[in-house]
Amino acid sequence: KQEVTQIPAALSVPEGENLVLNCSFTDSAIYNLQWFRQDPGKGLTSLLLIQSSQREQTSGRLNASLDKSSGRSTLYIAASQPGDSATYLCAALNTGNQFYFGTGTSLTVIP
Amino acid sequence: SQTIHQWPATLVQPVGSPLSLECTVEGTSNPNLYWYRQAAGRGLQLLFYSVGIGQISSEVPQNLSASRPQDRQFILSSKKLLLSDSGFYLCAWSDKTHRGWTDTQYFGPGTRLTVL
Repeated sequence: KQEVTQIPAALSVPEGENLVLNCSFTDSAIYNLQWFRQDPGKGLTSLLLIQSSQREQTSGRLNASLDKSSGRSTLYIAASQPGDSATYLCAALNTGNQFYFGTGTSLTVIP
Repeated sequence: SQTIHQWPATLVQPVGSPLSLECTVEGTSNPNLYWYRQAAGRGLQLLFYSVGIGQISSEVPQNLSASRPQDRQFILSSKKLLLSDSGFYLCAWSDKTHRGWTDTQYFGPGTRLTVL
């Protein structure tokens, strides 16, 4: 069974700093790897989707990379802003059409 | 455009009482539907998923059940709630594709359930 782990569990940074969130998965037989954002008490919003044949995806200040062979993905956030404060979850879609989520990284950007 | 609704937004129920949470999707047809639970400090736990009307797969044995009476309606139920059922319940949908490379899930706003 796929296991997805996210490190760190919580992160606090000053505004303007660049940061990296980590995600690791145990089964490399994935269709894609996705990063979601969750604001407190809200549902999840998809940020970036990397297909298994891709190495990275970019959207604005966000860049996600994927290394299937090592079972790792990173989400890079440039020039962080207070509005980036949220929980970030990664999810792996397995070839069995199951989505497996990590436990998330809670990010706080201090003004 | 597609939208997903969940209600109620919050619910406080006594132990042993029944439960019914509803999820509906608009703007798409024949979606895959999912129920997740998110307990405090823990990740998303997949409870049920459905690929069509009346087709329910259970991921975790528990006192919850799910039903899909219509194509775009997904219901989570319980006959008797336990304290451990407290959590944040999220409904999600995804399109069916042949290869899955671009599959993503779209989440509803969630229901906060507190069992006392």
